[in-house]
Amino acid sequence: AQTVTQSQPEMSVQEAETVTLSCTYDTSESDYYLFWYKQPPSRQMILVIRQEAYKQQNATENRFSVNFQKAAKSFSLKISDSQLGDAAMYFCAYRSAGYGNKLVFGAGTILRVKS
Amino acid sequence: GAVVSQHPSRVICKSGTSVKIECRSLDFQATTMFWYRQFPKQSLMLMATSNEGSKATYEQGVEKDKFLINHASLTLSTLTVTSAHPEDSSFYICSARDLRGANTGELFFGEGSRLTVL
Repeated sequence: AQTVTQSQPEMSVQEAETVTLSCTYDTSESDYYLFWYKQPPSRQMILVIRQEAYKQQNATENRFSVNFQKAAKSFSLKISDSQLGDAAMYFCAYRSAGYGNKLVFGAGTILRVKS
Repeated sequence: GAVVSQHPSRVICKSGTSVKIECRSLDFQATTMFWYRQFPKQSLMLMATSNEGSKATYEQGVEKDKFLINHASLTLSTLTVTSAHPEDSSFYICSARDLRGANTGELFFGEGSRLTVL
């Protein structure tokens, strides 16, 4: 079974600075997806960024980028120019390729943004 | 993106009663939906995979007679917590995949339902 590990229960960053959230995963599969989801106090899950395993290029979405190291099974999220609205719980998630496959979540990292 | 709606967003019930939570895909059809449970400041734990027109697949340790799942149409899955007890109090979230367009692997989430059992 696949597992996702987030080793940082909490992180803090100063507004406008950069922070990196760590994520590692374990799988024997070669085709899969990786995601970072944000969960603000409203509890709504919001997709931040996704990465297809077959793509070597790291995904980027505005201030959010990932460092995907397939051989090391590492998938970190970098948030640049942090904003107060970035404060939330962040979950790293894994999903096998294929229609009916579930998302497996890491334990989450609480990100606090200081003004 | 695709929209998934859950109802109710909050529900309070007495111990021993049953509560039904609905999950609807508003602008797409979903043959598979997923139900998660989340305790405060913890991760989402998959409870079951809901399959349209067939029985749900439950994760190990989840009581299928306690958490009844029905997926009677391509846009609606329901989770019924039967004979609820205070320990069932939690945040329940559903998700579904939109097969239209590019295969991004993404799942879309409902707003979640907070259940409080008194």
